[in-house]
Amino acid sequence: DAKTTQPNSMESNEEEPVHLPCNHSTISGTDYIHWYRQLPSQGPEYVIHGLTSNVNNRMASLAIAEDRKSSTLILHRATLRDAAVYYCILRGHRGSTLGRLYFGRGTQLTVWP
Amino acid sequence: GAGVSQSPSNKVTEKGKDVELRCDPISGHTALYWYRQSLGQGLEFLIYFQGNSAPDKSGLPSDRFSAERTGGSVSTLTIQRTQQEDSAVYLCASSTPDRGNTEAFFGQGTRLTVV
Repeated sequence: DAKTTQPNSMESNEEEPVHLPCNHSTISGTDYIHWYRQLPSQGPEYVIHGLTSNVNNRMASLAIAEDRKSSTLILHRATLRDAAVYYCILRGHRGSTLGRLYFGRGTQLTVWP
Repeated sequence: GAGVSQSPSNKVTEKGKDVELRCDPISGHTALYWYRQSLGQGLEFLIYFQGNSAPDKSGLPSDRFSAERTGGSVSTLTIQRTQQEDSAVYLCASSTPDRGNTEAFFGQGTRLTVV
């Protein structure tokens, strides 16, 4: 039920940009794209979400493909504190999928000093 | 409190015993979720409450698992006759009235160990 596909792991050097991809080819027109991350020994925390347009906030940017079948979470300058598992999730807007938050395996991001 | 609160933070129980895990969501949040996370694994959806609607129980792994939410606030996840494979971190999350574009806030989880 995850409905998203992410690489199992990625690596980056500190201070470099990181692009975390996610495929969601079966996305419906009413699904929002959410990203959460989970630091070691903590519960997940919200990062960003979007519907059609690219989004920016203080943590990251979200680039959404024109056909919405893929998206990319962009960390502009990775820090050691960004090392975490990043989850891409589709969140239903109405009907039978309203509010559901299904987590896949996510991408383990390693940041090297 | 300011965030989602779960208790206890750690629970060790003997196989066959019943356990209750508690979640205090953020005040005013009508949506509440339970997940479990086994060591090194992703989050497994268990159950979802949204206001007064019937809960989505599609993720409960067996009839030993049940959850209730009293007064639209506090939720309790009950596991009867615990088994060793129930050992995991149980996470609760809540969000404001759910239209798909709201942020979910997670608690720190309850680490359950069945011995």
